[in-house]
Order: sequence, then C-alpha cells, then structure tokens
Amino acid sequence: QITLKESGPTLVKPTQTLTLTCTVSGFSLSTSGVGVGWIRQPPGKALEWLALIYWDDDKRYSPSLKNRLTITRDTSKNEVVLTMTNMDPVDTATYYCALTAGYSLMDYWGQGTLVTVSS
Amino acid sequence: DIQMTQSPSSLSASVGDTVTITCRASQGINSYLAWFQQKPGKAPKSLIYAASNLQGGVPSRFSGSGSGTDFTLTISSLQPEDFATYYCQQYNNNPYTFGGGTKVEIK
Repeated sequence: QITLKESGPTLVKPTQTLTLTCTVSGFSLSTSGVGVGWIRQPPGKALEWLALIYWDDDKRYSPSLKNRLTITRDTSKNEVVLTMTNMDPVDTATYYCALTAGYSLMDYWGQGTLVTVSS
Repeated sequence: DIQMTQSPSSLSASVGDTVTITCRASQGINSYLAWFQQKPGKAPKSLIYAASNLQGGVPSRFSGSGSGTDFTLTISSLQPEDFATYYCQQYNNNPYTFGGGTKVEIK
C-alpha cells in the first residue's frame, strides 16, 4: 500500500521560510520513473501545482514561484522536502504532496497539511 | 502558461443521471490530461490519466475522452459517492496547470 504523509509547521509568520516534508511508504523514490510533487490549495479555491522531483533528481518548478521554491529528496529516508521562502498570507493553503508512478503526475496523494501564514 | 477552463463550474444532478464535464486547454496538450475527484476536507483522488485511461480501482462508470484542446469527463449512472468537485489538469507543459473545478451537487 502506497501512502504519503506531509509534515511541517501549521503556522508561519510573514517573511519566514516554510519547510515541508513528504514521507513516502510502500514505494521507493529510487524507482525509475517515480516522482514526488507538491500542490497547494488555498481555502475554497482551486489546486495549484508547485514543484516536482524525479527519481533521477530531475527537478521542475512552477515558473511563477521558482525563485522561492527548493525541492530535494532523501532516498535513504524516502522523503521529499519542499522549502518556500518569504512566506506571505496569500500562501495560506493546504499543501499536498503526490507521487507519480508513471501514469498521471499525481497518482497517489497525501492527506495534506494546512499552513497558515499570519503574524 | 496553459489555461485550463472547465465547464460548468457547478451542476446539480440526480442519482442515476449521466453527467458530462468539459475541460478546454488554451493550447494543444496532446493527451496529457488527468482528472481528479475531491470530496470536502479530503485530498484529491486520481481518476483518469492520459485523457482516457482509468486509474486502478476507479469504477467503469467514469470515462474520459478528448485530445488536443478539448476533453470531457463523463460519469454514467451517477452514484451518491460521486458528489464531489472534479478537476482537470494538463501535464504537457510546465507549469502543470489545473482547471478551476466543477462541483457536482445533488439535485
């Protein structure tokens, strides 16, 4: 059974850096073709894709947020980490990680974690 | 960026109805189109990839079609558990954009 779980702070202050971790179980991030990405959803709004990292360390970023995002992976822990700098209240959202096993870009999803940006 | 436009933004339907949701891309995306279902307070769930391929475990009443710029998601014989919001997403070009969602409500 493939599961993903996001972890990180629920509250960050404006200008701070957010660090989120996605822990994957049931699927090795070293498997050819596998990738893990991050998607966010502000309350009551649509989904927004942020970043993606593949098994070979190929990284993709949303151009509009590229300057603020860094995605890395730790295959020994089967984890993917997303950092987002200079957080603003408009970044308040539920952040999801999702795994691609080669079908869609998001074949399996984590439960999501709500991050609120407020002073 | 490729804009993904879904229509309608919401609809009301009854159990047993057939429902069709449309997704239009602002430029051609081949068949790199996925559909997701999201229920309130839950994570999205992948339904369809490559425009018309069902993910494992997805009921056959769900079907997808289209290529290029115009795509549809059809739900035949709507079931109570199908009332949710549906999103399309293109993964042909970065950024991999989502549509605005279609909320399927009970009539």
